[in-house]
Amino acid sequence: DADVTQTPRNRITKTGKRIMLECSQTKGHDRMYWYRQDPGLGLRLIYYSFDVKDINKGEISDGYSVSRQAQAKFSLSLESAIPNQTALYFCATSDDVVGSGKSSYNEQFFGPGTRLTVL
Amino acid sequence: SQQGEEDPQALSIQEGENATMNCSYKTSINNLQWYRQNSGRGLVHLILIRSNEREKHSGRLRVTLDTSKKSSSLLITASRAADTASYFCATARGDNYGQNFVFGPGTRLSVLP
Repeated sequence: DADVTQTPRNRITKTGKRIMLECSQTKGHDRMYWYRQDPGLGLRLIYYSFDVKDINKGEISDGYSVSRQAQAKFSLSLESAIPNQTALYFCATSDDVVGSGKSSYNEQFFGPGTRLTVL
Repeated sequence: SQQGEEDPQALSIQEGENATMNCSYKTSINNLQWYRQNSGRGLVHLILIRSNEREKHSGRLRVTLDTSKKSSSLLITASRAADTASYFCATARGDNYGQNFVFGPGTRLSVLP
């Protein structure tokens, strides 16, 4: 079974609809991330969470919200979807290096992605 | 502009040849990571090199880091068709994680049989 799973894998929706993308992990990692990928732009960080009580905005958080329901679950919501939110969305996790603080950057493990189309 | 930028944007080679991709960045870093992405799929971590390291190897992969030039290179030796993918560097620096772990736009590698 995959360590990081995302649902749904594909979603087509209309402008103004509320959408939730879900991410679950079995790696036991504290840190979880949401990215979006647009052609030619690499990945951009939307939100990240270093533990269940810690939620932080990334580079492009406007129009998005998140919920960390448990260590293993991190959901991304689009309250009112718009066409320029059409993209590939990835969830990722990483381990927390003890004593390293927030300045440590370990390898990240990615889910398979959700392709979202907003019409 | 982005902290990490790969060069070239696209690269086509024949199977068996070596492939070299470069990553340049602007400010000092804690570490630099390389990832591979097969078309439309999640990224897979390849190598992490810390700022005090100059070279690392993993199988057919060799990564170098030159902090004086603020650049890194990824070398894939004896390439195979299965190496066809996009390759991204990600630079990590300082605190305030949300602003300081940045992926470049990637290099698309095509290995022709």
